[in-house]
Amino acid sequence: QQPVQSPQAVILREGEDAVINCSSSKALYSVHWYRQKHGEAPVFLMILLKGGEQKGHEKISASFNEKKQQSSLYLTASQLSYSGTYFCGTEMGNQFYFGTGTSLTVIP
Amino acid sequence: NAGVTQTPKFQVLKTGQSMTLQCAQDMNHEYMSWYRQDPGMGLRLIHYSVGAGITDQGEVPNGYNVSRSTTEDFPLRLLSAAPSQTSVYFCASSYLDSYNEQFFGPGTRLTVL
Repeated sequence: QQPVQSPQAVILREGEDAVINCSSSKALYSVHWYRQKHGEAPVFLMILLKGGEQKGHEKISASFNEKKQQSSLYLTASQLSYSGTYFCGTEMGNQFYFGTGTSLTVIP
Repeated sequence: NAGVTQTPKFQVLKTGQSMTLQCAQDMNHEYMSWYRQDPGMGLRLIHYSVGAGITDQGEVPNGYNVSRSTTEDFPLRLLSAAPSQTSVYFCASSYLDSYNEQFFGPGTRLTVL
């Protein structure tokens, strides 16, 4: 039931764009995105809901395809501060399942 | 607001020992949960609670107990520590509506020898 993320890791130069994908074998009603910096706790980025509603980060966008049970996180004009591990997550009956994570490294 | 607090930050146990990881939140959140994070495995749900007096098992509950006597506190007990329980443990809380963000504590790094 754990969502699958791709790619597992990506290295970018400052200013480049990246897309992180998240897919589930189960029906998705909402998708959550979190970022975790090394040695720290995960921090909320955004939630995408069925019907297209989004709540969250101003500079990061995402899409949610309910029929394909997929979500994508779009990081544009990346900054050094974007480095970290990104997790998608989904909730099923009060249980929360996180993906295995995508490590993003932004270099100068 | 302190948010979500966890103690201790680090702990080393010997196999067979028991201990309690403490978690508290001051945001009046109904939902609280415990996760373990292992390399390459992401975050996996151990136990969760939707309110005082109500707890349930998550994805990986074996070897752990929880209780929720108050809204604020959600301790995690390791009954008889095993090396397989070496991990980083995170407590999180949120409003019960799943369309709300989870707030995570700083984590407890546990090593079982």
